[in-house]
Amino acid sequence: KAGVTQTPRYLIKTRGQQVTLSCSPISGHRSVSWYQQTPGQGLQFLFEYFSETQRNKGNFPGRFSGRQFSNSRSEMNVSTLELGDSALYLCASSQIQGWNTGELFFGEGSRLTVL
Amino acid sequence: TQLLEQSPQFLSIQEGENLTVYCNSSSVFSSLQWYRQEPGEGPVLLVTVVTGGEVKKLKRLTFQFGDARKDSSLHITAAQTGDTGLYLCAGGTMEYGNKLVFGAGTILRVKS
Repeated sequence: KAGVTQTPRYLIKTRGQQVTLSCSPISGHRSVSWYQQTPGQGLQFLFEYFSETQRNKGNFPGRFSGRQFSNSRSEMNVSTLELGDSALYLCASSQIQGWNTGELFFGEGSRLTVL
Repeated sequence: TQLLEQSPQFLSIQEGENLTVYCNSSSVFSSLQWYRQEPGEGPVLLVTVVTGGEVKKLKRLTFQFGDARKDSSLHITAAQTGDTGLYLCAGGTMEYGNKLVFGAGTILRVKS
């Protein structure tokens, strides 16, 4: 079956701009989680969506937001970009919600560079 | 401060050597997972351990969950160049809410 698909793979933005990233989960998976990955910090949890509702949120400012559609596809948005937002943004899908999910299936990520 | 501390941060070894990487915390975890991430790709799950003291073997990889469920280790026997990658541990704990927490990872480079 098709894996998790993230678009775009690479993008370059300037400070102050906004960006929208997209994630299509594995068919049948209803939970989508977003992580920010930077060198030395590992994966930092952004938020999780299940059945179009945000179920969990990490410690990120309000500039980071997301949503999930009825087909389980998810988008995340970062407004007023800062240099420190440069990172690999990973999306992961799973069949059920929460940390007892068994396995997270990750996409290849969207590499964001903020200049 | 990371909830899950991984060590070492970086490891470079020759093919055929053995190695162990560690994942430690002061918190008790209900389960711990190990993922491997290769350049340009997302992490892929290797194993999940759920019982204190549990040992799981996956070919040349041996995973152990500490008795107190606060730490885990990954041992690789006779490393191969294909083992090169970033190894991440991740755990679930109610102390951190209903979400999976990741360590910063160990970068492993196996040279031929």
